[in-house]
Amino acid sequence: NAGVTQTPKFQVLKTGQSMTLQCAQDMNHNSMYWYRQDPGMGLRLIYYSASEGTTDKGEVPNGYNVSRLNKREFSLRLESAAPSQTSVYFCASSEVGRVDQPQHFGDGTRLSIL
Amino acid sequence: QKEVEQNSGPLSVPEGAIASLNCTYSDRVSQSFFWYRQYSGKSPELIMSIYSNGDKEDGRFTAQLNKASQYVSLLIRDSQPSDSATYLCAVFSGGYNKLIFGAGTRLAVHP
Repeated sequence: NAGVTQTPKFQVLKTGQSMTLQCAQDMNHNSMYWYRQDPGMGLRLIYYSASEGTTDKGEVPNGYNVSRLNKREFSLRLESAAPSQTSVYFCASSEVGRVDQPQHFGDGTRLSIL
Repeated sequence: QKEVEQNSGPLSVPEGAIASLNCTYSDRVSQSFFWYRQYSGKSPELIMSIYSNGDKEDGRFTAQLNKASQYVSLLIRDSQPSDSATYLCAVFSGGYNKLIFGAGTRLAVHP
């Protein structure tokens, strides 16, 4: 009963390096989301995909790109990592192509950029 | 003004007491409201959703919604130490077409 699976769980990068965070869900959900969580600031939406083949910017998209590879998978890419991108990243999914449905979260990726 | 506001806490209550967590929001056309629990170092877990004015009960949890006053609250009856966590309020903002989270209230239940 995997739900939403994120890889890796931890990562340390140097400034300027690139990497891709992977997310997969096995609940047949249409919509997928990427959030970052910083102390005292709650969850902020980076990008979302309402359905397969579509992606849209959220509140804090700068410095990130996304790919909705298929219905199950939604990846987040940092092209040139910056210390300000040190955060905990959560992927989430929901049942229908509307953001007012409850979202189910993965375990998170803890990313540090030196 | 933040779109979704919560008192950061910590809210400290004794075991067995009622914990009351509050959340206010700014978008008057918001339609859907959720409470998530997040243990330290873990991911958010949905515990309650509410869509209509009034109360909704689920076990020891009661969500209350007042759209006229733009607040939503979560009551936890018979609080247990295992309820110690951060509680996130989330509001679907029709104006922005997205789910907006508050920064969370940290609850500490002491024996």
